[in-house]
Amino acid sequence: DAKTTQPPSMDCAEGRAANLPCNHSTISGNEYVYWYRQIHSQGPQYIIHGLKNNETNEMASLIITEDRKSSTLILPHATLRDTAVYYCIVRAQTGANNLFFGTGTRLTVIP
Amino acid sequence: DAGVIQSPRHEVTEMGQEVTLRCKPISGHDYLFWYRQTMMRGLELLIYFNNNVPIDDSGMPEDRFSAKMPNASFSTLKIQPSEPRDSAVYFCASSFSEGFGKLFFGSGTQLSVL
Repeated sequence: DAKTTQPPSMDCAEGRAANLPCNHSTISGNEYVYWYRQIHSQGPQYIIHGLKNNETNEMASLIITEDRKSSTLILPHATLRDTAVYYCIVRAQTGANNLFFGTGTRLTVIP
Repeated sequence: DAGVIQSPRHEVTEMGQEVTLRCKPISGHDYLFWYRQTMMRGLELLIYFNNNVPIDDSGMPEDRFSAKMPNASFSTLKIQPSEPRDSAVYFCASSFSEGFGKLFFGSGTQLSVL
């Protein structure tokens, strides 16, 4: 699976959009981008995933660049409960569902 | 569904003792994963099962660790004998085979080996 690079930490004001970047310059054509988050003392939680088109669900939006070498997770109106570590993971759709987590970005939402 | 259920929530034991962690996956899920999380190493995949069969145990640190899945609704991770360096949070997760990377995690077991 392709390697990802994320900033170690970010801050965001409550109510503002949180934009979390992820670089995955070695991504292959059959690899998807997944985002998970882990709130303190809880297990990781799936947020969203995509291949090349932008995706949106009730939690967030995922913007993938045209060359697919980077992506951005957008939380449109961050709340204090969004404070967590966010993981960007790249993996092929085929094969087992096992995921390998990197170090992620620690997002702190500030009141 | 109640989600992935792990027990115990916290475990404190002494070095050399046997530790057994338990997991009940979401009903209908055919994949089960055991992860370990520490500050130093982050989230590590230890082993995963498909249809109760261990598929990849390359992440299991050493022979002191063993995992079983006797049926579709139950799995255990055993450490015997336990050592202080085994102290970590152990997570169990499950997914559908068609879930394509969408894993559901339990709340974890905080293990402290003194």
